[in-house]
Amino acid sequence: SQTIHQWPATLVQPVGSPLSLECTVEGTSNPNLYWYRQAAGRGLQLLFYSVGIGQISSEVPQNLSASRPQDRQFILSSKKLLLSDSGFYLCAWSTGSGNTIYFGEGSWLTVV
Amino acid sequence: GEDVEQSLFLSVREGDSSVINCTYTDSSSTYLYWYKQEPGAGLQLLTYIFSNMDMKQDQRLTVLLNKKDKHLSLRIADTQTGDSAIYFCAETLPSGGYQKVTFGTGTKLQVIP
Repeated sequence: SQTIHQWPATLVQPVGSPLSLECTVEGTSNPNLYWYRQAAGRGLQLLFYSVGIGQISSEVPQNLSASRPQDRQFILSSKKLLLSDSGFYLCAWSTGSGNTIYFGEGSWLTVV
Repeated sequence: GEDVEQSLFLSVREGDSSVINCTYTDSSSTYLYWYKQEPGAGLQLLTYIFSNMDMKQDQRLTVLLNKKDKHLSLRIADTQTGDSAIYFCAETLPSGGYQKVTFGTGTKLQVIP
């Protein structure tokens, strides 16, 4: 069966520090991968998606970047965090032809 | 348009039925979903319905789809305290080789014992 894991689960970082959130998927190959952000009390915002290694599409301009160095690995990064980057970040995957998105456990980021 | 709208809050008594509503604007949606998010956790897929269906039932969950009005609802029978969570509806649209998923803002369901 397929599983998705992301880490760290909780992170408190000072303004201006770098960020790296990692996500891996097991049990499938060539998945579509996604990073979403959920700000406090708000819905989900798609940040990045990837349909293959090295292929990243950004949905919104921002302080963050994403990379996909391996087929089942998706990384969310920032060189310098802003206060507004605080939120709940969710990695997700779907099959290349499938329609259903499955989510990881989420990572809480607090920028102080 | 790609907006998915939900009411923000719903409160029900334990044992009653809950009905969570959602409206969407894009008639070319292929699948519509309901996800559940418990506090501090990721989203759990509850159920989904294909756009050519009107109704789907899965134990205590009933999904109704009215394509004419672009209205989706989730009914939870015999609501329990463990059903307290945020419920997101979502629609998928084909977009440049992948299925783009648009989520609603979520409805927070509070179950009163």
